[in-house]
Amino acid sequence: KAGVTQTPRYLIKTRGQQVTLSCSPISGHRSVSWYQQTPGQGLQFLFEYFSETQRNKGNFPGRFSGRQFSNSRSEMNVSTLELGDSALYLCASSFGTVQETQYFGPGTRLLVL
Amino acid sequence: GENVEQHPSTLSVQEGDSAVIKCTYSDSASNYFPWYKQELGKRPQLIIDIRSNVGEKKDQRIAVTLNKTAKHFSLHITETQPEDSAVYFCAASRSSGNTGKLIFGQGTTLQVKP
Repeated sequence: KAGVTQTPRYLIKTRGQQVTLSCSPISGHRSVSWYQQTPGQGLQFLFEYFSETQRNKGNFPGRFSGRQFSNSRSEMNVSTLELGDSALYLCASSFGTVQETQYFGPGTRLLVL
Repeated sequence: GENVEQHPSTLSVQEGDSAVIKCTYSDSASNYFPWYKQELGKRPQLIIDIRSNVGEKKDQRIAVTLNKTAKHFSLHITETQPEDSAVYFCAASRSSGNTGKLIFGQGTTLQVKP
C-alpha cells in the first residue's frame, strides 16, 4: 500500500498570505488528523476528520481550518499567516479512529517571512 | 484542558544501557497511550501502545507501563543500540464513541553513544 502523502513538501509565504496544504491518506483509511510540529511545542493536534466531518478540533485560532473530501483526501488552510505559523505540518491517517495506529505523512514545512 | 508532560527532554545513554522516559497526563478519562519514534528528518512511527485496561506491555526490548492512579506512563528501552537514537513522543487520548484526539508530550531526544 502506498503511504500517506502530503503536498507540497516545502512552502515559503509572507505574513498575511494564506496557504492550503494537502494530505492523501492510505487507501481505505477514513480518519485524517493534522498536527503542527515546532521545536518548542512538539506535536500539537489541529483537527481530525472522518467521512468529510470534523470530529475534533485542537486549540488553534479560527485562521486554521480544514476539510475532507469524499475520497478521504484532506486539506488544511491557514489564512492571514503569521510568523509563528512557521512549522512542520503533519497529517496522519488511520482506518477509523485516533486510537489506532496513526500513519504519518512526510509533512509540509512552511516558512512564513 | 488536556495536557501531557514528558520528561526528560534529552537523555544520553551508553550503548547497552537502559533508557526510561516518563509521561504524566491530566485527563483522567484518557484510555489510550501510544509512543511514537521520530528519527531525524523522518516521520513519526508508532513503536508501542497501551490501553487503560492493562498495566504493562512488552515488545522485545521495548516496554510500556501504566499507572492509572498516578496518571503516568513510562517507556522502557533495554539494551539500547545506536539505532534507538531518535526523538520519542508519548501521547494520550480519551475516546468518546468513535471520536477522540491525541495529545502529545513535548518529546524526548534520546542519544545512544556507541
